[in-house]
Amino acid sequence: DTEVTQTPKHLVMGMTNKKSLKCEQHMGHRAMYWYKQKAKKPPELMFVYSYEKLSINESVPSRFSPECPNSSLLNLHLHALQPEDSALYLCASSQGTHSTGTQYFGPGTRLTVL
Amino acid sequence: SQQGEEDPQALSIQEGENATMNCSYKTSINNLQWYRQNSGRGLVHLILIRSNEREKHSGRLRVTLDTSKKSSSLLITASRAADTASYFCATEGLNRDDKIIFGKGTRLHILP
Repeated sequence: DTEVTQTPKHLVMGMTNKKSLKCEQHMGHRAMYWYKQKAKKPPELMFVYSYEKLSINESVPSRFSPECPNSSLLNLHLHALQPEDSALYLCASSQGTHSTGTQYFGPGTRLTVL
Repeated sequence: SQQGEEDPQALSIQEGENATMNCSYKTSINNLQWYRQNSGRGLVHLILIRSNEREKHSGRLRVTLDTSKKSSSLLITASRAADTASYFCATEGLNRDDKIIFGKGTRLHILP
C-alpha cells in the first residue's frame, strides 16, 4: 500500500469554526508532513513530524495546530482561520526526514475560509 | 536559500514533441527530485537523482544533474496529453536538518 489518504477532500468553514484535517498512511513511514499550497505556487512546508514528534514548525500561526496521535495518523486542527488561509493542504510521508528520497503525497484537502 | 527555480514557468507543446524543463538551485545538495502535480491534486514523485549522479532515466523521462552549474533538467520524450501538469523540482540539502525545498514549478500544457 503506497497510498496517503486525506479527509475531507473539500472543506468550507467560517472564521469562527473549529475543524480538523486528517491524514493517514500505512507504509510504515516515520516522517509525516503538512504543506500549504496556493494556486500556481509550490507547496510550502508547514510542519514535519519525525517518529511522532514535531521536528519542524515553519513559523506557522497558532491557529493551525498539528497532532500526530500515532505513526500512521497526522491531524491538522484549524481554529479561527482567516480567508487568506484558503488553500490546498497537502499531507506527505517519507521513510525518514533526510536522505530517504521520495515523499508520498495525499490528494489534498481544498480548504475555503469564508 | 536552496530553493530551486524552474524554467520556463509555462510551456505549451504539440503532442508527440519533447518537453524540456530546467531547474537551478543555489546551495549544495544531497539529491534533487522531480514531482508532477495534476491540477488541484497531490504531487507524484517522478525521479530522484543523487548529487554524485549525472543522468537518470525512467521510461520517457530523462533527468540530468550538473552540480558545477547547480542545475538540472527534466526531459519528457514523445509527450502525451496526460503529461499536462505542473512539474516541480525539489532539492534536499546536505545537513541532516535540511528539509526538501520545492521550486516554483513549470506548467506544461500538451496541445492535441
